[in-house]
Amino acid sequence: QVQLVESGGGVVQPGTSLRLSCATSGFTFSGYGMHWVRQAPGKGLEWVAVIWYDGSIKTYADSVEGRFTISRDDSRNTLYLQMNSLRVEDTGVYYCARESASRGRRFDPWGQGTLVTVSS
Amino acid sequence: DIQLTQSPSFLSASVGDRVTITCRATQGISSHLAWYQQKPGKAPEVLIYAASTLQSGVPSRFSGSGSGTEFTLTISSLQAEDFGTYYCQQLNSYPQTFGQGTKVEI
Repeated sequence: QVQLVESGGGVVQPGTSLRLSCATSGFTFSGYGMHWVRQAPGKGLEWVAVIWYDGSIKTYADSVEGRFTISRDDSRNTLYLQMNSLRVEDTGVYYCARESASRGRRFDPWGQGTLVTVSS
Repeated sequence: DIQLTQSPSFLSASVGDRVTITCRATQGISSHLAWYQQKPGKAPEVLIYAASTLQSGVPSRFSGSGSGTEFTLTISSLQAEDFGTYYCQQLNSYPQTFGQGTKVEI
């Protein structure tokens, strides 16, 4: 079945870096656009970034533009999020999600999430 | 950026009740809207996409309607397992924003 498994979260200090991974299986990874979405503790969902199926387009939320980089390795069926210059407000659970577009766009499925805590 | 406003932010209802959640967009988004359910400690799961298409495996008591700037999610007969927080999301343009959420308490 389709699976997305995030890893790489942890506790880091402000100003440092972290790289998240999203390992996928059960579908043709190279045929799908992929997203990162985050959720601060007790808050709602915030879209973070997208990478198109062929890697040709990458778009970011204003809150992370210039600090975060989304990438993909189709040979490893894995999505990445390189997070630099981390801030306290970047704390939260980070989810990867596949964008399905058959008959209509939606994020399906989502991974289980990985927790990033930025604290001094 | 397109902003989505959900109402209400919280609702408490009984099993068997008909429940409606509204999502309003600041610009027209055609039918590029999805609804998700999130339970505590879990990832969101899609319920409805393209404003009114039921995701495979989702109970038929869930339905969606609307286009342009106003959308609704309806649960025709609320069940105990329907507790959680519901989010709308626009997929018309980047950033693909979410509503602030509606917490449903049984």
